[in-house]
Amino acid sequence: DGGITQSPKYLFRKEGQNVTLSCEQNLNHDAMYWYRQDPGQGLRLIYYSQIVNDFQKGDIAEGYSVSREKKESFPLTVTSAQKNPTAFYLCASSSWDNLPDTQYFGPGTRLTVL
Amino acid sequence: AQKITQTQPGMFVQEKEAVTLDCTYDTSDPSYGLFWYKQPSSGEMIFLIYQGSYDQQNATEGRYSLNFQKARKSANLVISASQLGDSAMYFCAMREGPDQAGTALIFGKGTTLSVSS
Repeated sequence: DGGITQSPKYLFRKEGQNVTLSCEQNLNHDAMYWYRQDPGQGLRLIYYSQIVNDFQKGDIAEGYSVSREKKESFPLTVTSAQKNPTAFYLCASSSWDNLPDTQYFGPGTRLTVL
Repeated sequence: AQKITQTQPGMFVQEKEAVTLDCTYDTSDPSYGLFWYKQPSSGEMIFLIYQGSYDQQNATEGRYSLNFQKARKSANLVISASQLGDSAMYFCAMREGPDQAGTALIFGKGTTLSVSS
């Protein structure tokens, strides 16, 4: 089945630790995105990537880093510099070949900082 | 100023009734797209319907339709014949600029819909 997978589903981190969230897609989509959702709020963009080896900061990139070494993978690292990382993280992807550019989402990772 | 405004934090509807979820948007770009997503309690965002700024007709997808009023900058989602499984959070989102992959979406804060039997 084609889709977007995110792992782990739940993640617990101690303050001061870096942690990496995985996002993989087998939809052959070109663009990938990371969003953050806080309780009762909409999604806010962290980073996005239109092609391999290229990515751009979103509205709330501080304290996060990404890489895009493969088309199907877009991992997000939450660094210790992120002051309030407890949130729900959603990864999405979209395709140049499938306009309108609908973004399809993974199941999300819920990160809790202890 | 917020680019996407959803003024209804919560809506309640009975099964088989229709419900309208409001969304207003703000952009000066003549080319844009409007999306609605459903987020059940599991957390995954499910795409429902899309409306392009140049589309002449309102979009429809099964029980979902979009009441697009361009002059008023509103893009309300209409769900006909509500079902218990429609209970979820609903988000309106906008892409500013032309239709191409790699443009981020701007989301509203969502409306929680509760469907009762």
